[in-house]
Amino acid sequence: QQPVQSPQAVILREGEDAVINCSSSKALYSVHWYRQKHGEAPVFLMILLKGGEQKGHDKISASFNEKKQQSSLYLTASQLSYSGTYFCGTEKPTEDKIIFGKGTRLHILP
Amino acid sequence: GAVVSQHPSRVICKSGTSVKIECRSLDFQATTMFWYRQFPKQSLMLMATSNEGSKATYEQGVEKDKFLINHASLTLSTLTVTSAHPEDSSFYICSARDRQGNGGYTFGSGTRLTVV
Repeated sequence: QQPVQSPQAVILREGEDAVINCSSSKALYSVHWYRQKHGEAPVFLMILLKGGEQKGHDKISASFNEKKQQSSLYLTASQLSYSGTYFCGTEKPTEDKIIFGKGTRLHILP
Repeated sequence: GAVVSQHPSRVICKSGTSVKIECRSLDFQATTMFWYRQFPKQSLMLMATSNEGSKATYEQGVEKDKFLINHASLTLSTLTVTSAHPEDSSFYICSARDRQGNGGYTFGSGTRLTVV
């Protein structure tokens, strides 16, 4: 089942904050977050496995709610380099594959 | 960190011909690799799971006879687009996961296929 991402697109000025959400009607085994720049491959940001988990590095962090049906990616004091499309993905442990959401396009203006 | 190499990065071919795309895990072994297709400004659509030493597992709606997958070793998977048509033009990306790594999937740099 494909996770649902929102918003579809965000335009920010450098230094502003952004939140990207990823949700599912059923509990997720895990949530992956990736960033893809135009014409490039997606790059892994982080994975969350436990309900209530929060994880982050630098100014990019993420949370996974207790019911494991929603995850949010937080980008604080955004930088120009944060521009790109962000995908969340979920995997089925029995099938060892990941299904991605439709993505959120983030554009940072100077 | 884990590195996945994909070649070629761009290919243009004529309708009716076949194109082979290679995906290699450079510093880890991958019993499973994944092939995705991506249209402009759209998500990554999983096409198939490549299994070392056995048949690939295709997602619903993906033609296995058109998209041939071979995973002959623990570091190499190939995708062959057979009898290519213009509608096969797309961005194809492979990925794999290093079981000893951070839990995430590493992607190849992608192949831009244009069928003319």
